[in-house]
Amino acid sequence: DAGVIQSPRHEVTEMGQEVTLRCKPISGHNSLFWYRQTMMRGLELLIYFNNNVPIDDSGMPEDRFSAKMPNASFSTLKIQPSEPRDSAVYFCASSFSGGTSYEQYFGPGTRLTVT
Amino acid sequence: TQLLEQSPQFLSIQEGENLTVYCNSSSVFSSLQWYRQEPGEGPVLLVTVVTGGEVKKLKRLTFQFGDARKDSSLHITAAQPGDTGLYLCAGVVGARTYKYIFGTGTRLKVLA
Repeated sequence: DAGVIQSPRHEVTEMGQEVTLRCKPISGHNSLFWYRQTMMRGLELLIYFNNNVPIDDSGMPEDRFSAKMPNASFSTLKIQPSEPRDSAVYFCASSFSGGTSYEQYFGPGTRLTVT
Repeated sequence: TQLLEQSPQFLSIQEGENLTVYCNSSSVFSSLQWYRQEPGEGPVLLVTVVTGGEVKKLKRLTFQFGDARKDSSLHITAAQPGDTGLYLCAGVVGARTYKYIFGTGTRLKVLA
């Protein structure tokens, strides 16, 4: 398996622009997580989906952030409009949620810079 | 808000030394995981502990889950430069949720 795939790996954009981050989870996994990592705040959970349904979006900073999972093999995280304080590394992770399994597998991340 | 505090935040040691990293919380976790993250990559799972008091070994790494399932430790014996990285603990809260709370991280550097 190729693991969790994220694109783009790097994104540089100007303040006010729309940014879309993409994620393909591991085939067969039914949970998908979006995280943001910064030096100041560490790794923060933004939202997670189970069977394509958003379960907890309490970590989404504000209305400028939105996430979708139209099917089991694809998810997007959108920021509109972007601001410099959104600069961070955004990770997508997937897992098979069933029984006592709690193992997450992370993608390589998207480094976002908003100028 | 559940918090997972890790200590120390930074650790620089010589090859061959032993070290222990701690992960503490006031919350009870269903399970707890340890990850290692290298620059430019996502965290990679090292171990999952589920039962209070559980001890797991992974080569030179020993992981322990506290009896009350509120804390955990990671002990590395005879550290090597390849152990360098950011170590993160993560706890799952609740039995029917898969919401992970990540710790503040311990940045380890092992000098040759």
